[in-house]
Amino acid sequence: DGGITQSPKYLFRKEGQNVTLSCEQNLNHDAMYWYRQDPGQGLRLIYYSQIVNDFQKGDIAEGYSVSREKKESFPLTVTSAQKNPTAFYLCASSDGRTPFTDTQYFGPGTRLTVL
Amino acid sequence: GQQLNQSPQSMFIQEGEDVSMNCTSSSIFNTWLWYKQDPGEGPVLLIALYKAGELTSNGRLTAQFGITRKDSFLNISASIPSDVGIYFCAGQLRRGDDKIIFGKGTRLHILP
Repeated sequence: DGGITQSPKYLFRKEGQNVTLSCEQNLNHDAMYWYRQDPGQGLRLIYYSQIVNDFQKGDIAEGYSVSREKKESFPLTVTSAQKNPTAFYLCASSDGRTPFTDTQYFGPGTRLTVL
Repeated sequence: GQQLNQSPQSMFIQEGEDVSMNCTSSSIFNTWLWYKQDPGEGPVLLIALYKAGELTSNGRLTAQFGITRKDSFLNISASIPSDVGIYFCAGQLRRGDDKIIFGKGTRLHILP
């Protein structure tokens, strides 16, 4: 089945540790995105990538880093510099090289809790 | 930055009732999107609107792109238990050329 997978579903980390969230898609989509969702809030864009080896900061990139070494993978690292890392993280992808042009399909999300 | 005001924040309804929710902005948008998110899952696109005045249906769901381009509405007819979830509106200032801005969501509860 084609789709977007995120792992793990739940992640617990101690304060001060970096943690990497996985996002894989087999839809052959060019563009990929990371969003953060907090309770009672809409989605906020962290980073996006329109092609391999290229990515752009979103609205709340501070304390996060990404890489896009393969078309199907767009991992997100939450660094110790992120002041409030506990949140629900959503990965998405869309067809076409121009981001935000086509429908974004979301993964199931990873809930990160920093203790 | 631009904001979308989505209302109501939450709704409690009886099964079988119709539901209406809306999204407004002080800015003009050229694309409106409506997503549904089930608990612990990612959002799923329900309806996309690209033209002012456009009225689009998807089963029991109907959404409209407001004439002023500053608002959009989503209606659900004859609600059923699986309609429970959070409904997000999202807008794009310039189609294909701008980030998508999300509202804070309307949480729909269906009373037994």
